[in-house]
Amino acid sequence: DGGITQSPKYLFRKEGQNVTLSCEQNLNHDAMYWYRQDPGQGLRLIYYSQIVNDFQKGDIAEGYSVSREKKESFPLTVTSAQKNPTAFYLCASSIRRNLGETQYFGPGTRLLVL
Amino acid sequence: AQSVTQLGSHVSVSEGALVLLRCNYSSSVPPYLFWYVQYPNQGLQLLLKYTTGATLVKGINGFEAEFKKSETSFHLTKPSAHMSDAAEYFCAVSGGSNYKLTFGKGTLLTVNP
Repeated sequence: DGGITQSPKYLFRKEGQNVTLSCEQNLNHDAMYWYRQDPGQGLRLIYYSQIVNDFQKGDIAEGYSVSREKKESFPLTVTSAQKNPTAFYLCASSIRRNLGETQYFGPGTRLLVL
Repeated sequence: AQSVTQLGSHVSVSEGALVLLRCNYSSSVPPYLFWYVQYPNQGLQLLLKYTTGATLVKGINGFEAEFKKSETSFHLTKPSAHMSDAAEYFCAVSGGSNYKLTFGKGTLLTVNP
């Protein structure tokens, strides 16, 4: 059964702590994305990757980092430099990064600050 | 730069009534347009997309949308609302050399019995 999995479903961060959100896909897609969703704000692009070992900043990359060591995996780290991390984080993938390509989304991770 | 405006952050309809969710876009090149649906605490699911060709696009769950270039619109409709249609709907546009997908801020659809 192909799809995108994200874990955990809920994540709690303490002050000054780095946390990592997992995203795995078995769709054999080349491109992967991370979005942040805040109420009433739509989705904003954090980072994207078109191929293994390559990734690019999106519109709101400050305070976040990513890696792409395997085609299937694109973890997102929320660092202590991100001062307002509370949000719903969505991972997506597409066959390739191209016009008209459909992006498929995972179920999301909700990050809360303690 | 491309952008999307969804008119109405909240739309309320009665069960069985017409659903109309409005989306206007701005793009310097011919756009690719998408509608996604999001149920509470879940990811986004593609309803339909316009790439090229026929301007009336049919999607899942009885939804359809019409691309109107002269009005820069891509409104989403469904003839008869069902309780299960209650969700948040996002319009998105992709165009230009950076291949970026830009989302609107979403419209929350409420269906009343």
